[in-house]
Formats: sequence, structure tokens, C-alpha cells
Amino acid sequence: EAGVTQFPSHSVIEKGQTVTLRCDPISGHDNLYWYRRVMGKEIKFLLHFVKESKQDESGMPNNRFLAERTGGTYSTLKVQPAELEDSGVYFCASSQVLGTIKTQYFGPGTRLLVL
Amino acid sequence: AQKITQTQPGMFVQEKEAVTLDCTYDTSDPSYGLFWYKQPSSGEMIFLIYQGSYDQQNATEGRYSLNFQKARKSANLVISASQLGDSAMYFCAMREGLTGGGNKLTFGTGTQLKVEL
Repeated sequence: EAGVTQFPSHSVIEKGQTVTLRCDPISGHDNLYWYRRVMGKEIKFLLHFVKESKQDESGMPNNRFLAERTGGTYSTLKVQPAELEDSGVYFCASSQVLGTIKTQYFGPGTRLLVL
Repeated sequence: AQKITQTQPGMFVQEKEAVTLDCTYDTSDPSYGLFWYKQPSSGEMIFLIYQGSYDQQNATEGRYSLNFQKARKSANLVISASQLGDSAMYFCAMREGLTGGGNKLTFGTGTQLKVEL
């Protein structure tokens, strides 16, 4: 079974440009999460989808960030315009709906560097 | 206030020895789950072990065990018989609420473990 995949693995852009990150969850996982780790700090929650609906977007830093999950499969996270402080590693995770444990399985992350 | 605290930014252990990575948490929710993830240098986050707040016994998964002390709000990870491949960053995380919408994970800052020959 394929794990969570993310694209691209790395992205280097200039301040003011736009970047779109993509996440493909594990097949059958309705829950999809975005997290990010800014250099030297802890991994922080951004938002949570259940299928195509945003369940919790309390961690989104500002309106320069837009997440979508059309059709309830893959998700995109767009940063427009990017700022220097957006640099970090963006992780996507997915989990099943059923069961109480709901272990979240993470992708390898996208390393974003804004210059 | 920090919800997850990992006080050891770095740890060294000799190969084949056991090592304990500390994690303390803070929550007022009676229902919660505690997770440990491993992040090797390649970057992926690997799920290691889970402990539910109502679980009576400490969780174990192969060489990993979770020393859960509820009254102290600690959930330390014990790795037995360390291997060179255990060298990685280790994150402790908590999910408040076991069902419903409370699914987001709160992470600690991580502990970098280095296994030496």
C-alpha cells in the first residue's frame, strides 16, 4: 500500500512568488492534515480536512495560505504571496475515519525556502 | 503554556544499550492520545507507538515501549537494544479527545538521538 506522498520534495522561491504544494493521502483515508515545521521550532498544525470539508483550519497563519481538497482525494496548499517566514517543512498526514486511535501517517514533507 | 515538552534537545547512546526519551504533557481533557514519531535524516515521519489515556497497560511495539505515568503526565519513550539505525529525531505528540473533531496533533520540539558504536 502506498503511503502519503507529497510534491515537490523541495521548493526554492523568491519572496512574493506563489508556491503550490500537493499531498496525496493514503487511499481510503478521509482525514487529511497539513502541518509545518519552521526552522528550529516544533511542528505545528495548520488544518484538517474530512473528505473535501475543512474540519479545523485554526492553525492557518493568515490569508496568504489557501488549502483545497476538491473531490476529497488529494489536497493542495497554496502560499501567495510567499514571505520569508514561510520557509520550513510542510508535512501532510492522513488517517482513517473509523476507530478511536486514528493514527496519522505522515508524508515525507516539502521543504520550502523563500529567499 | 507548552502542551508537550521534550527537555532533551540531544541524546547519545551506545549501540545495544537502552535509552529513554522524555516527554511531559499538559491537558485538562480526560480523553487523549499520546504518540511518538521518528524522523530520520531522510525526512519522513514514521509512527512508532501510541498510548491512550484510558489504556491500563503501557504500550509496547517491538523494541519501543512507552512508560506512561498518568499522574505525572509523562509519556517517555524507551528504546531497548539501540541500533545505529535508531539515530534520528524523535517527536512526542498528543491528540486531545479520542473521537470526533479533536484530531489535530500537538508536537514537542523533538529530541535528536545519536547511537554510537
